[in-house]
Amino acid sequence: KNEVEQSPQNLTAQEGEFITINCSYSVGISALHWLQQHPGGGIVSLFMLSSGKKKHGRLIATINIQEKHSSLHITASHPRDSAVYICAVRVNYGGSQGNLIFGKGTKLSVKP
Amino acid sequence: DAGVIQSPRHEVTEMGQEVTLRCKPISGHNSLFWYRQTMMRGLELLIYFNNNVPIDDSGMPEDRFSAKMPNASFSTLKIQPSEPRDSAVYFCASRPGHRDAEAFFGQGTRLTVV
Repeated sequence: KNEVEQSPQNLTAQEGEFITINCSYSVGISALHWLQQHPGGGIVSLFMLSSGKKKHGRLIATINIQEKHSSLHITASHPRDSAVYICAVRVNYGGSQGNLIFGKGTKLSVKP
Repeated sequence: DAGVIQSPRHEVTEMGQEVTLRCKPISGHNSLFWYRQTMMRGLELLIYFNNNVPIDDSGMPEDRFSAKMPNASFSTLKIQPSEPRDSAVYFCASRPGHRDAEAFFGQGTRLTVV
């Protein structure tokens, strides 16, 4: 079983829809990241959070430490939001403290 | 700052050849990571340096892979000899010293071994 699981793997939405991407993890973490990867490959960090909720524009990220679960929400989705969204957790154990373990990503396609 | 700079952006090489990927981290960042991304396995950590010293290389696939960080502003990932299964996108990322600081990724090097 992967230590970081994302769902769904693929998501197609119509422009304007509210989108939710989920991430569950099974290890002790010090922080969780949401990353965005556009076609062409560059990776951009959207959020880093260790508790509660963060908001940036139309993007909202939440985390529940007790349930080991995080969600990324996109309000009023737009075709330019089409990308792969990757959840990554920063582990807090062993010699690799601080390293990231990644989910497989969620491929989002927003149709006009 | 220009961000994390990787070169080349694309590399195509023949099986058996040596490949060297390069990374310039953001100035002042103490930690540097090499990741590999494939369709099958997603993103995986290969090796992690802190203050130019390799801390965790458990993700390096085999002896054909080696990484160095001769100084704070430069790192290389070398594959010798390369094999078709090494084809992937290789990302370098850097981070300031604090463990919970955010990491910044380079644009990646897309390697194709034919």
